[in-house]
Amino acid sequence: EVQLVQSGAEVKKPGESLKISCKGSGYTFNNYWVAWVRQMPGKGLEWMGIIYPADSDTRYSPSFQGQVTISADKSITTAYLQWRSLKPSDTAIYYCARLEDIVGAYFDYWGQGTLVTVSS
Amino acid sequence: DIQMTQSPSSLSASVGDRVTITCRTSQRITTYVNWYQLKPGKAPKLLIYAASNLQPGVPSRFSGRGSGTDFTLTISSLQPEDFATYYCQQTYSTLWTFGHGTKVEIK
Repeated sequence: EVQLVQSGAEVKKPGESLKISCKGSGYTFNNYWVAWVRQMPGKGLEWMGIIYPADSDTRYSPSFQGQVTISADKSITTAYLQWRSLKPSDTAIYYCARLEDIVGAYFDYWGQGTLVTVSS
Repeated sequence: DIQMTQSPSSLSASVGDRVTITCRTSQRITTYVNWYQLKPGKAPKLLIYAASNLQPGVPSRFSGRGSGTDFTLTISSLQPEDFATYYCQQTYSTLWTFGHGTKVEIK
């Protein structure tokens, strides 16, 4: 069974750093791109970026380029989303998702989401 | 960027109703549209990919149609578990974008 299991909720202060994780299982992790998607409170979904774990090829949405870092450790089948200095506007639920691209491109499996709260 | 105009933003319906959600794109994107269901506290769920393909395991009451700029998601007979928020997504361009969502509520 394909699963993406994300790390737990975080409460941070502005300026702090953070790295959240997404562990894939039940499939060949290296062979599928893993994306990150943001949902701010009361808002819709925004695609942030995507990584190919086999070679760490990474693409970012222009809105998130330079604001976050996406990485992966294929040895432990885990993808990461990282901030160097959090802002209150980073408060959101963050989802990871697996990309399937047999017919078009779509996110066929999703993690359960990680709630990040940034507040002083 | 390709803009996704999703409508309505919310709707109230009863169990058994037929519900249709529309997504219009700012440029032609063949059939590169997907539909997702979101419920609070749960992982989002893929319903339809490439405009009209039903994801395995998704009930057949869900269907998708469209190509070019106009796309629809239809629930033929709304069930209690279908009350949720639905999003369209385009993956035609290199910057993938979502619609703003449609919240389906109980009438």
